[in-house]
Amino acid sequence: EPEVTQTPSHQVTQMGQEVILRCVPISNHLYFYWYRQILGQKVEFLVSFYNNEISEKSEIFDDQFSVERPDGSNFTLKIRSTKLEDSAMYFCASFWSGYGYTFGSGTRLTVV
Amino acid sequence: KNQVEQSPQSLIILEGKNCTLQCNYTVSPFSNLRWYKQDTGRGPVSLTIMTFSENTKSNGRYTATLDADTKQSSLHITASQLSDSASYICVVRDTNAGKSTFGDGTTLTVKP
Repeated sequence: EPEVTQTPSHQVTQMGQEVILRCVPISNHLYFYWYRQILGQKVEFLVSFYNNEISEKSEIFDDQFSVERPDGSNFTLKIRSTKLEDSAMYFCASFWSGYGYTFGSGTRLTVV
Repeated sequence: KNQVEQSPQSLIILEGKNCTLQCNYTVSPFSNLRWYKQDTGRGPVSLTIMTFSENTKSNGRYTATLDADTKQSSLHITASQLSDSASYICVVRDTNAGKSTFGDGTTLTVKP
């Protein structure tokens, strides 16, 4: 079964540093998403990406965040200057209308 | 505002017992409803997906029902196993914006 692959599985970074979270979505899917889940809380939508551009973003997705699909396969989430409250699990997902979302295993980001 | 409410928030059952999780939504116009299982520290995994015309969908010991008139869905787990311990998330997608609304999830603990 096709999988969404995320790397790294765990990232520890100092406050103020930039981090890039990487995802390889399912190749024939067209819609890509980033979600985050703060420990013990619900999954929160960050951004959706279609046809090489952002189609929707939440209020969480401020100027500190950016997404790219630089080479047609990798899908990245960049946080420019991390804050303590950015500590969370970040999930990448790709979407196919007949099936729904396929989520990656997530990247646990810890900001210290 | 589209909302998805799940109940109970948490549930503890003994191995081998059955249980039913509830999901009520206000998402309109409705496109589809999905149930996901999320193991601790992992990404959500799709269990079932139902469209407007489907009343029930099974996946092994998991059976989801949908009443589009009352905007309610349930997930019934039969003969629970220890591995069923997880968070179960109801996700409802609307037709217009193509946006999905996540419920807070029900945390199920199966004890021996």
